[in-house]
Amino acid sequence: NAGVTQTPKFQVLKTGQSMTLQCAQDMNHEYMSWYRQDPGMGLRLIHYSVGAGITDQGEVPNGYNVSRSTTEDFPLRLLSAAPSQTSVYFCASSYEGAWDTEAFFGQGTRLTVV
Amino acid sequence: KNQVEQSPQSLIILEGKNCTLQCNYTVSPFSNLRWYKQDTGRGPVSLTIMTFSENTKSNGRYTATLDADTKQSSLHITASQLSDSASYICVVVGLGDYKLSFGAGTTVTVRA
Repeated sequence: NAGVTQTPKFQVLKTGQSMTLQCAQDMNHEYMSWYRQDPGMGLRLIHYSVGAGITDQGEVPNGYNVSRSTTEDFPLRLLSAAPSQTSVYFCASSYEGAWDTEAFFGQGTRLTVV
Repeated sequence: KNQVEQSPQSLIILEGKNCTLQCNYTVSPFSNLRWYKQDTGRGPVSLTIMTFSENTKSNGRYTATLDADTKQSSLHITASQLSDSASYICVVVGLGDYKLSFGAGTTVTVRA
């Protein structure tokens, strides 16, 4: 039981490049979400999914796409990287919903856009 | 406007001493409040979850309190250890909400 696994752990991109941050969980959780963490700020929700085939936007979705083709995987795509997207990204999952069950976080992906 | 405010932003304590971290929130209606510990370079890990009807909850040397009337919570660390050096994050969940509202965290440094 690995929990929530994120890859890669570190990434450097040039402005305009695209990439996909991977997130996988082996706990059969329906709810998955992506956050970004910036210095001096709380984690902010980018996108979330309440089950396979269902995704929705969080509070900072611009510049990011997601899809949920399986229960296990929830990749985050950066369409055209910008320096403002330099951040640490966390994927989280929980059994039913964010409101009443424990959320488990991955180890994070530190992204630098130059 | 951030709905979860934490104080202090950072603190340094000597090993073996106690400390208390504060969290004020405006999220309403309220479902539950959580405290997470985040080690450097790692993801947040849950310490406690409290619903509006709970006043206190402990996890080893960590004790969280909640006053839902004043919308305040605290996290008390007893007999601190070097491994307690981390960021402690207060998270509030609205009733029936999909969204977790995160505080910016308090960075605790424990020195020998």
